[in-house]
Amino acid sequence: NAGVTQTPKFRVLKTGQSMTLLCAQDMNHEYMYWYRQDPGMGLRLIHYSVGEGTTAKGEVPDGYNVSRLKKQNFLLGLESAAPSQTSVYFCASSRQGAGELFFGEGSRLTVL
Amino acid sequence: AQSVTQPDIHITVSEGASLELRCNYSYGATPYLFWYVQSPGQGLQLLLKYFSGDTLVQGIKGFEAEFKRSQSSFNLRKPSVHWSDAAEYFCAVAGGYQKVTFGTGTKLQVIP
Repeated sequence: NAGVTQTPKFRVLKTGQSMTLLCAQDMNHEYMYWYRQDPGMGLRLIHYSVGEGTTAKGEVPDGYNVSRLKKQNFLLGLESAAPSQTSVYFCASSRQGAGELFFGEGSRLTVL
Repeated sequence: AQSVTQPDIHITVSEGASLELRCNYSYGATPYLFWYVQSPGQGLQLLLKYFSGDTLVQGIKGFEAEFKRSQSSFNLRKPSVHWSDAAEYFCAVAGGYQKVTFGTGTKLQVIP
């Protein structure tokens, strides 16, 4: 079972470049989330979605955009990357809100 | 707003010794509480969860946690630690139906 798959796993960007992280889940989950993980700060919620066609802001949404055009996919976009966005990004999904989260393996992004 | 505090950044225990990781939460009503484990380079995996009912919950890998409303705590315990338990542990709280908030994590080192 694939579960939650994130691509790419590693990426290096220059300041000002744009990119998109793709998250795909095969569990038919309604809820999907994007978190970033930084040393000593745990996981912080960037954006989330409670169903196809919906998105909402989390704790740290600035500089990011998301889309959920299909139920199984949740895209995270950086329009103009900044060094402060260097982080490990995790996608997660759940069957219900506030339920068990299933995580991908993470995407490590470095912005120079 | 909901929040989680994990006061111990790093804990070292000897193999075979008991373990307790501390977690305090802030939320106005009865929350949903979780413990997740993260091995290096991996996503997070659910160890156990508390939604309601019995305040002592059992999880995978021999872990348990106790919900204490009076202390706003949800401490994780294991009677005898194995070397394979070395990882980072995250406590999380969900007060609403859509968002899970994580603590900053406790890194566990196991020495022989």
